[in-house]
Amino acid sequence: DAGVIQSPRHEVTEMGQEVTLRCKPISGHNSLFWYRQTMMRGLELLIYFNNNVPIDDSGMPEDRFSAKMPNASFSTLKIQPSEPRDSAVYFCASSSLTHEQYFGPGTRLTVT
Amino acid sequence: AQSVAQPEDQVNVAEGNPLTVKCTYSVSGNPYLFWYVQYPNRGLQFLLKYITGDNLVKGSYGFEAEFNKSQTSFHLKKPSALVSDSALYFCAVRDVNSGAGSYQLTFGKGTKLSVIP
Repeated sequence: DAGVIQSPRHEVTEMGQEVTLRCKPISGHNSLFWYRQTMMRGLELLIYFNNNVPIDDSGMPEDRFSAKMPNASFSTLKIQPSEPRDSAVYFCASSSLTHEQYFGPGTRLTVT
Repeated sequence: AQSVAQPEDQVNVAEGNPLTVKCTYSVSGNPYLFWYVQYPNRGLQFLLKYITGDNLVKGSYGFEAEFNKSQTSFHLKKPSALVSDSALYFCAVRDVNSGAGSYQLTFGKGTKLSVIP
């Protein structure tokens, strides 16, 4: 079975540009999570969805960040405008009723 | 509120020796507990979980973990370490009482395991 799919794997952009990260969860999973990982702050939960509905977005750093899940097989995380401090690895994870989350390979974002 | 503590930033162990990576947790109700491993430039990979039942849980790659309710601990163990076990290990917890439909996990800060040849 295919795992969680994320694209792109690497993104380099200039400050002020819009960045869109994409995620396809494992088929049949009803929860989807977006995380950010940096050396300084470790792994941070940004937002999560249950049955396509955002449940908790308290981890979203500021209004420049937004996330959508238009259907059960696709989610996006958008940063507009991007800033150098947004540079990090962004992970998407999904889970079902078995509780454990399965992580994608991540998107390494560099904002110059 | 739920929380996880991994008291050691780094653990060094010689190849062939037993290893232990420590984790303690705090929840208001009963915990679901998890261990994940992260290799360089990779996503987190699920190793094992405790939901209910036997306190000793076996997982992938020969790892196991022991749930100790009185000490609120869930330490990860392996009888004989391999160099390929060198990675970053995360403990995570979910409070059973966190609400229906809520599957949020709280992760520890991670412990870097180095297995020395």
